[in-house]
Amino acid sequence: DAGVIQSPRHEVTEMGQEVTLRCKPISGHDYLFWYRQTMMRGLELLIYFNNNVPIDDSGMPEDRFSAKMPNASFSTLKIQPSEPRDSAVYFCASFKRGGSYEQYFGPGTRLTVT
Amino acid sequence: AQRVTQPEKLLSVFKGAPVELKCNYSYSGSPELFWYVQYSRQRLQLLLRHISRESIKGFTADLNKGETSFHLKKPFAQEEDSAMYYCALRKVGTNAGKSTFGDGTTLTVKP
Repeated sequence: DAGVIQSPRHEVTEMGQEVTLRCKPISGHDYLFWYRQTMMRGLELLIYFNNNVPIDDSGMPEDRFSAKMPNASFSTLKIQPSEPRDSAVYFCASFKRGGSYEQYFGPGTRLTVT
Repeated sequence: AQRVTQPEKLLSVFKGAPVELKCNYSYSGSPELFWYVQYSRQRLQLLLRHISRESIKGFTADLNKGETSFHLKKPFAQEEDSAMYYCALRKVGTNAGKSTFGDGTTLTVKP
């Protein structure tokens, strides 16, 4: 397995533009997590899904952020409109309940909003 | 509510010196504790979990339920240990997929 795949790896956009981040979890994993990492706030859980259903989105900072998981192999995190304070590294992670105890992280998307 | 605290944002030691990264947690049930490591510009990866009681790359961590701590230790730090370390807690049982992460500690091992 190629592990958790995220795209793009880097994204530079202007304030006000829509940004879509993509994630493909490990096949067979039933949990998917979106995290945001910044120097100031560390690693923050934004939202997570279980069997494609959003379970907890309390970490989503504002209505500008939305996430979907239309099927077991794909999820998106969208920011519309983007702002400079959204600049961060966004990680996706997947987990299989009853399997390995580890959350498997993707390589991250480094987002810069100018 | 569960909470993980890593009191040191930055930690710097010299090569060969002992290192301890602190982690305290608050949780009323039975937790699973983990340490994740992130080397420069790489993905987070699991370093060790308390249940396995193993040593990985010379690191060990003991769960102290009395002090609600799970400190990560290594007797002789190496330069390649320089990384960001996250302590994480997961509830055993329902919603077992979700973990709570601390804010992370950046370890720098100087030559």
